Amino acid sequence: QLHLQESGPGLVKPSETLSLTCSVSGGSISSNTYYWGWIRQPPGNGLEWIGNIFYRGSTYYNPSLKSRVTISIDTSKNQFSLKLSSVTAADAAVYYCARRYVGQFDPWGQGTLVLVSS
Amino acid sequence: DIQMTQSPSSLSASVGDRVTITCRASQTVYTYLNWYQHKPGKAPKLLIYTASSLQSGVPSRFSGSGSGTDFTLTISSLQPEDFATYYCQQSYTTPYTFGQGTKLEIK
Repeated sequence: QLHLQESGPGLVKPSETLSLTCSVSGGSISSNTYYWGWIRQPPGNGLEWIGNIFYRGSTYYNPSLKSRVTISIDTSKNQFSLKLSSVTAADAAVYYCARRYVGQFDPWGQGTLVLVSS
Repeated sequence: DIQMTQSPSSLSASVGDRVTITCRASQTVYTYLNWYQHKPGKAPKLLIYTASSLQSGVPSRFSGSGSGTDFTLTISSLQPEDFATYYCQQSYTTPYTFGQGTKLEIK
């Protein structure tokens, strides 16, 4: 059974870069069938799609975040990562990683809370 | 971006009730509409994909319908484990967008 787990700092300073990793177990990230994605949920708000990556490295980003987002993949470690630069308080959220098949996300990781504060 | 609007935003119901949640898209998404269940502190769970297909392992009391701009998620007989927040998501075009959620609470 595929399992995804997010990891990374729970606190980031304003203007710095948020970095998270999603570790995938129970299956290979090097699949022709799936994309791998990041979604976030600010406290009290809805879900926001951040972007996706294919194992060969092609990426798709939400235009609202595109200038600050980089998603990368490391097939040797079965992991993919998110970097979000120049963070502000508005970037505080629970960040989820998920596998994307066609357009739906399944499964998801449990999520990791990232706060932005000096 | 395609805006997804769910109604109601919250709902109180009892075990055994039939419940319907509505999702409306700001433009057609054909049947590229998915539903998720989310419980606090847990990973969101895919329930329905492409409007009406039941994800493997999801109980048959969950069903989805609709096409174009109007969709519904129905739970035929609420069970205690169904109290959660439900989200719709369009996958017709990027950026993928979600509804604001419907919180289903115990009456």
